[in-house]
Formats: sequence, C-alpha cells, structure tokens
Amino acid sequence: DVKVTQSSRYLVKRTGEKVFLECVQDMDHENMFWYRQDPGLGLRLIYFSYDVKMKEKGDIPEGYSVSREKKERFSLILESASTNQTSMYLCATEQRGVLSGNSNQPQHFGDGTRLSIL
Amino acid sequence: SQQGEEDPQALSIQEGENATMNCSYKTSINNLQWYRQNSGRGLVHLILIRSNEREKHSGRLRVTLDTSKKSSSLLITASRAADTASYFCATAPSGRRALTFGSGTRLQVQP
Repeated sequence: DVKVTQSSRYLVKRTGEKVFLECVQDMDHENMFWYRQDPGLGLRLIYFSYDVKMKEKGDIPEGYSVSREKKERFSLILESASTNQTSMYLCATEQRGVLSGNSNQPQHFGDGTRLSIL
Repeated sequence: SQQGEEDPQALSIQEGENATMNCSYKTSINNLQWYRQNSGRGLVHLILIRSNEREKHSGRLRVTLDTSKKSSSLLITASRAADTASYFCATAPSGRRALTFGSGTRLQVQP
C-alpha cells in the first residue's frame, strides 16, 4: 500500500510567519500534489510536481510556493502566512501513467494538516 | 475552477437502503474518479472510470458515466453505517495533468 505522510496533523501559526508543510511518500510515485480543502469549496489544487525540481501552478498558487528536491518529498511553503490561509491542506501522490500529459491514475492522499493562522 | 459538481450536497438514509450520488462536469475528460473521505481524514480512491466506459462495478459500488450528458453517478447498494462519509467526484480534463474535484456529497447512513 502507498503511504503518504504529512508531517503534522494540526498546526497553529501567526500571521506573517513562514510556514512549511511537509509530505513524504514511500512508493516512488512521480507526481505529487498539494490541495487545500475548505467547506463548500471542495479540494482546490495549489501546486503540483511531476518530477524532481519540476513544479506547476495549480488553480490557487498565490501566497504559496513549493519545493521538490527529492522524489519522495514535496514541501508546501506559505511565504508570509495570512488568516485566509487557515484551511485543511492535503498532499497526494500519483504514479505517472502512460499518457504523461494527463492525469489517469488514482491519487493517494495523506491524512491532511489542519492549519490555523492567528 | 471546479469542474465536477456533486448532487445532492447532503444525503441521509437508513442502513440497508441504496445511496445515489450524481456528478456533472463541463469539459471533455479522459476519466472520472470517485473518492471517499471520512471525517478528519484524507481521501481514499474508490473507483476510476475511463471516458470510453459506461459502467463499472466494485463490490457494492456501481458507477455510470454518460459523456454525452457530461454526468456520472455513484450508487452504493445495501448501505451500512460505516459508509457514512463525504464522497467526491474528480475529473481528469483532457490535456490537464491534474484532477479537478467537486465539492462533495455528505452521506449519513443511520443505523
């Protein structure tokens, strides 16, 4: 089974702080994703990475950056945390499919980090 | 932008009844996936149906896909209290590397 581990289940930070959320996977998947989940809005894609040192913006990248120095680790960085970034953050991995330009494999999720910015 | 929209937003049924959730989307897709999320946990993949498939089964789950109507349904038969969760559809739009998730259906199965 794929194991996706997010470093913290709950995190409380202050506005203006630089916040790091870590995600580690053990199944050698090429693709990794960061989402945020808010009530009534479902999951929204922040950033994703399809290879080491490669990244692409998702639908809501503003205020965030990412780092993928090793295949198994994908970090989400809040450059200067703000209260509107209070949310549940979910990391997911996906094995690259035959058609590399499309998402065509199941995604595997971590249990999420509930982040509160005060 | 949200591609898939689930209907209803919430559903409450008795144990043993069937639960049906619907998903509509806007653009052409390569596949559509259904996920389940228990409270406070991550999402778990349930089933993937490709654009050239019309129906797929997995245990008590039955998924249909109608690409002409851009819609899908998830049927859970003989529901159990343990099926209580939120269910999300996710579409893989053509030419996009990432999935797009809907806002989910909250299913409550009363024992």
